[in-house]
This record gives sequence, C-alpha cells and structure tokens, in this order.
Amino acid sequence: GDSVTQMEGPVTLSEEAFLTINCTYTATGYPSLFWYVQYPGEGLQLLLKATKADDKGSNKGFEATYRKETTSFHLEKGSVQVSDSAVYFCALQSIQGAQKLVFGQGTRLTINP
Amino acid sequence: NAGVTQTPKFQVLKTGQSMTLQCAQDMNHEYMSWYRQDPGMGLRLIHYSVGAGITDQGEVPNGYNVSRSTTEDFPLRLLSAAPSQTSVYFCASSYSGTIPPSYEQYFGPGTRLTVT
Repeated sequence: GDSVTQMEGPVTLSEEAFLTINCTYTATGYPSLFWYVQYPGEGLQLLLKATKADDKGSNKGFEATYRKETTSFHLEKGSVQVSDSAVYFCALQSIQGAQKLVFGQGTRLTINP
Repeated sequence: NAGVTQTPKFQVLKTGQSMTLQCAQDMNHEYMSWYRQDPGMGLRLIHYSVGAGITDQGEVPNGYNVSRSTTEDFPLRLLSAAPSQTSVYFCASSYSGTIPPSYEQYFGPGTRLTVT
C-alpha cells in the first residue's frame, strides 16, 4: 500500500540555518504531495503542496519539489526562524484514496535563537 | 467561518467507559475524516465519510464507530475505552469540487484523550 517515510527527528538548528527535512514515498500512480505543519497545541495546517511531477510548492519561505524519479518531496528553507519550531508532516493523497491522506511519522523541529 | 471545531479539548476516561468526540464544520465540505496521532507514528485514519449517510473504515477502525446524519457533524464514538486508545484525535474536512481537485484537508484543534 501507499506509504510515506520522513527523516527521523528531532532536528535542532540555530536561527538562520538552512533546513532540509527528507521525505520519500511509495505509491501507485502519481499522488498529490503535501507538507503539513503542527505548531504546539494546535491542529495541522497545510504548508505547501504539489500535484504533479516537477511541481514546486512554496509558502512562508519553505519549498519542496515533486521528484518522480526519486519519489521524493524534501522540504527546504534557506534561513529558519525561532517561529518555525513545530512538527512537520509529509503526506500523500493517492488517486485511488478518495481524499484519504497517508502521513509520514512527523519530524519535530526546534530552532534555537 | 469557525472552520473545523472539536469538543472536548481534553478527556480522561476509565477503561470500559464510552464517550463521543464531537466534530463540526461550517464550510459545507462533503468529506470528513477522523485521525489519531500517536508519537512516532504520524496520523492514522480511523473512519471517513464522503457525504451525509455515507461512512467507511480507515486504517485503524476497531473500537470506534461513526455516523454522518448531517453535512456539518461527524461524531466519533468510543464504545468501550481501552488504554490503547490513549491518543490525540483530529477531525478533518475537505472539498473536492474545485477544478483541478484540491484535496487540501482542514484540521480541527484536536482532542487529547487519556484512558486509565
């Protein structure tokens, strides 16, 4: 079945560091891919998405590119801030899934000033 | 719009007790779902509904019941609580009517449940 694998956390960086959180997936067909963010004590919010190969999703300085050849959707940000501290989830929406999302295990990111 | 709302925010149950987690949305979304979040396991789908009167099982449905009598509400019932059901529960909704389809799901703030 469909699955998503994220790099294990927690990840701790200093402010203004470069961020990469790896995400790879297994799915049939061409799923839509998402990054969700969960701030402390809150529900999940959509951060960015990509619906087809080579699409780049971007929001709030974060970017991720849909790479079909490597089945990856890595999240990147050039200069992180303390306010980016959160848990990040990679997810896929399989075409057969009737809007069901399959999530990775989440990566906790802490940014120190 | 309030978006997706969930009640209660916190709940403690004893083993064997039953309860209902409430979820409501005011965005006229046809699709609603329940997930549970456990450490190191991401979110796992419990049940989902593609419209009023239509529900189906997700990945981890055992011990939970759902019904969807209106578009707005999608309650999750725990029939006989067990410690393994200690988790954070999230309700989500989405709308498939855009072209191309969006598939974006909107999440509620969650219910933290502890079963002792």
